[in-house]
Amino acid sequence: DIQMTQSPSSVSASVGDRVTITCRASQGVSSWLAWYQQKPGKAPKLLIYVASGLQSGVPSRFSGSGSGTEFTLTISSLQPEDFATYYCQQTNSVPLTFGGGTKVEIK
Amino acid sequence: EVQLVESGGGLVQPGRSLRLSCAASGFTFYDYAMHWVRQAPGKGLEWVSSISWNSGNIGYADSVKGRFTISRDNAKNSLYLQMNSLRTEDTAFYYCAKGRGGSSSSCLDYWGQGTLVTVSS
Repeated sequence: DIQMTQSPSSVSASVGDRVTITCRASQGVSSWLAWYQQKPGKAPKLLIYVASGLQSGVPSRFSGSGSGTEFTLTISSLQPEDFATYYCQQTNSVPLTFGGGTKVEIK
Repeated sequence: EVQLVESGGGLVQPGRSLRLSCAASGFTFYDYAMHWVRQAPGKGLEWVSSISWNSGNIGYADSVKGRFTISRDNAKNSLYLQMNSLRTEDTAFYYCAKGRGGSSSSCLDYWGQGTLVTVSS
């Protein structure tokens, strides 16, 4: 099974900050990597597919990059509604494993 | 508008069975893969199972293989998860999610609100 490791596990940031989250795969997944946002008590929401594709309706301040084993999610200018937990998921092969999550908190 | 509504959760004793259902609407159900993902209270996401558009490809997490069975009825726009031999560690919110494509390894572009399964004596 492919293991996904996210870092950091939490980050404190202020509105307007640039935030970068990293996701590493234990083996290559090509570009088959997705990013999700989850707010407390809510279902996750797809942000990025195939490493860098922006899901419809997602603000352009979110961007994804990477391929192979290392990926990043960047929020260019953090907004109040962006405080949430973010998960990566590899969709290269079953089982489709998630990373452990990164909680973005208010500084 | 895509809607996914899960049902069938509840309190069940260890070793017993439960069947979850997911009613889908707002999209052409038979064109897309479907998934189940769970989340234990206060924990991260765990992919459980997926099924391709035509049920030709099915996958399971190691933690549920041999105990859980995913299925779909394209005529009824419905997804199911039969859970047998339940364990306390299966306690979680279970989410139904739509695949972005027809493959069982597609990412998940729409999610239901989840149904809580509690396994306890």
